[in-house]
Amino acid sequence: SQTIHQWPATLVQPVGSPLSLECTVEGTSNPNLYWYRQAAGRGLQLLFYSVGIGQISSEVPQNLSASRPQDRQFILSSKKLLLSDSGFYLCAWIGTSGRGETQYFGPGTRLLVL
Amino acid sequence: KQEVTQIPAALSVPEGENLVLNCSFTDSAIYNLQWFRQDPGKGLTSLLLIQSSQREQTSGRLNASLDKSSGRSTLYIAASQPGDSATYLCAVLTGGGNKLTFGTGTQLKVEL
Repeated sequence: SQTIHQWPATLVQPVGSPLSLECTVEGTSNPNLYWYRQAAGRGLQLLFYSVGIGQISSEVPQNLSASRPQDRQFILSSKKLLLSDSGFYLCAWIGTSGRGETQYFGPGTRLLVL
Repeated sequence: KQEVTQIPAALSVPEGENLVLNCSFTDSAIYNLQWFRQDPGKGLTSLLLIQSSQREQTSGRLNASLDKSSGRSTLYIAASQPGDSATYLCAVLTGGGNKLTFGTGTQLKVEL
């Protein structure tokens, strides 16, 4: 069965510090991978998606970047965090269930920038 | 640009009540629509998925309908229980299956 991992689960970082969040998927190959952010009181916002190694599409211009160094690894990074980067970051992959295509979400990383 | 709206933003009901959550979307060219549940501080759990060619899906006490032409979906929860308390998110899949656009969610509280 497929499993999606995210770490760390929680992170507290000072403004201006770098960031690296990691997402890995098991049990599937060549998945479409996604990074979402959920800010306090706001809906889920798609940040990046990737259809393959080294292929990244950015949905929202900001100080974040994403990379896909391996087929089942998706990394979200920042060189200098802003207060507004605080939020709940979710990684997801798209697969096909008996009900059709659906997205499966990881447990999330809660980031607090102080 | 696809926009998804959910009404109400928050809802508090007594246990046992039947309730309806609403979702609307601006671009009817969707691949499918999903309802998710999110518990506080947790990731998302898919509840129901409706393909663009379908009109409804049922799972236990949950029933979701889709009217693609009018850009609307409803999630019906029968005989609500305290364990149903969570945020419910509606999302539409577009762009050939590559992009999921979420609504802002309905925060549901079912009280004893």
